Amino acid sequence: QSVLTQPPSVSAAPGQKVTISCSGSSSNIGNNYISWYQQLPGTAPKLLIYENNKRPSGIPDRFSGSKSGTSATLGITGLQTGDEADYYCETWDSSLSVGVFGGGTKLTVL
Amino acid sequence: QVQLQESGPRLVKPSQTLSLTCTVSGGSISSGGYCWTWIRQHPGKGLEWIGYIYYSGSTYDNPSLKSRVAISVDTSKNQFSLKLSSVTAADTAVYYCAINRGNNAFDIWGQGTMVTVSA
Repeated sequence: QSVLTQPPSVSAAPGQKVTISCSGSSSNIGNNYISWYQQLPGTAPKLLIYENNKRPSGIPDRFSGSKSGTSATLGITGLQTGDEADYYCETWDSSLSVGVFGGGTKLTVL
Repeated sequence: QVQLQESGPRLVKPSQTLSLTCTVSGGSISSGGYCWTWIRQHPGKGLEWIGYIYYSGSTYDNPSLKSRVAISVDTSKNQFSLKLSSVTAADTAVYYCAINRGNNAFDIWGQGTMVTVSA
């Protein structure tokens, strides 16, 4: 069981908006930066969001991140079929002294 | 643009040592401020942080792996390596190398290599 909790799956129609939550504790999300990754089938993860809400160069502004207390949220607007993927949150856990990932959320664009 | 490529045996016998290398191209492994990291993904499962080596040479690994991890750098070959000892079937996974370039995230990843532990 992952230290960070994500919903196993979410779905929405093309063009709509979806949010993916990541819940943790004060030892991880509460006191450390969070990042988000997209993993398309059969490929390596790709960084979408770093330091809670920053987008690397080349990531469209359809993707956004936010953090409040011990939870974080990834938002995706204007959904496209190409957004179908697994999404992971990640941060450092100061109590466990280890990097931790959420269990992943599978996004289906209906 | 920095790119990473994992290499190493795809099949390892139980109790032996898994050895993988990550070759860095388009940049220097001696770059300051970077964490050269190994991450794995069990089949059909989520991601697991294995450990990293900092540009200064200091290393840190996941306590859950019970000190079976060794990460090193070879600056002459622009590579960093992972050794995981006493492997079992539970170590069967896709192994990724990745870089944290000081932005608290893994912004560059290798394509991953599948390693199977089996007799």
